[in-house]
Amino acid sequence: QSALTQPASVSGSPGQSITISCTGTSGDVGAYNYVSWSQQHPGKAPKLIIYDVNNRPSGVSNRFSGSKSGNTASLTISGLQAEDEADYYCYSYTSSSTGVFGTGTKVTVL
Amino acid sequence: QVQHVQSGAEVKKPGASVKVSCKASGYTFIAYYIHWVRQAPGQGLEWMGWIDPNTGGTNYAQNFQGRVTMTRDTSITTAYMELSSLTSDDTAVYYCARGPRTSVDVWGKGTTVTVSS
Repeated sequence: QSALTQPASVSGSPGQSITISCTGTSGDVGAYNYVSWSQQHPGKAPKLIIYDVNNRPSGVSNRFSGSKSGNTASLTISGLQAEDEADYYCYSYTSSSTGVFGTGTKVTVL
Repeated sequence: QVQHVQSGAEVKKPGASVKVSCKASGYTFIAYYIHWVRQAPGQGLEWMGWIDPNTGGTNYAQNFQGRVTMTRDTSITTAYMELSSLTSDDTAVYYCARGPRTSVDVWGKGTTVTVSS
């Protein structure tokens, strides 16, 4: 199972919106609505911010939103803030009943 | 609150095995899967497999087939991940995390495993 493809880095200014893509195949991202996104600050454990494509866990800011089209999922961060600077990973359930993470995207707030 | 307390850091020699524990609290242990994920230094997240604490059923990533064993002890709400035939490439932080089969939600803080001669 190959890792899902994400851009290595994305940047934006405070207040702007950015979008991170996550491209898989018809055997993972395209197969189910089971894509999630996690945020990881340096030296910390990841934290779930989106699950099942576009659902936010309780307590997660509504500035985070998700979507999916075909084999590509996306995470949008609106109203970018300094605290959003972190690594972001997508995750998908697969047709083999396994999981696969994306390659990770470093978000920089300019 | 939901949390997972993992065992402490380990240093192992090449060829050895390591067993990492993950004690769950704050929720019904058998109602969620436990996933294991690792992260090598400076690298991304790598999914290793899951265990269903209710049945003991497992599913491992192909990269770890034959080398990883996931078990659980429901009496103490603890999951275990054992990785054998260690090489320097296995040096990483190993995380346990709760989830349905389809995603990963609440993560432990991680256990650092260093493989060095």
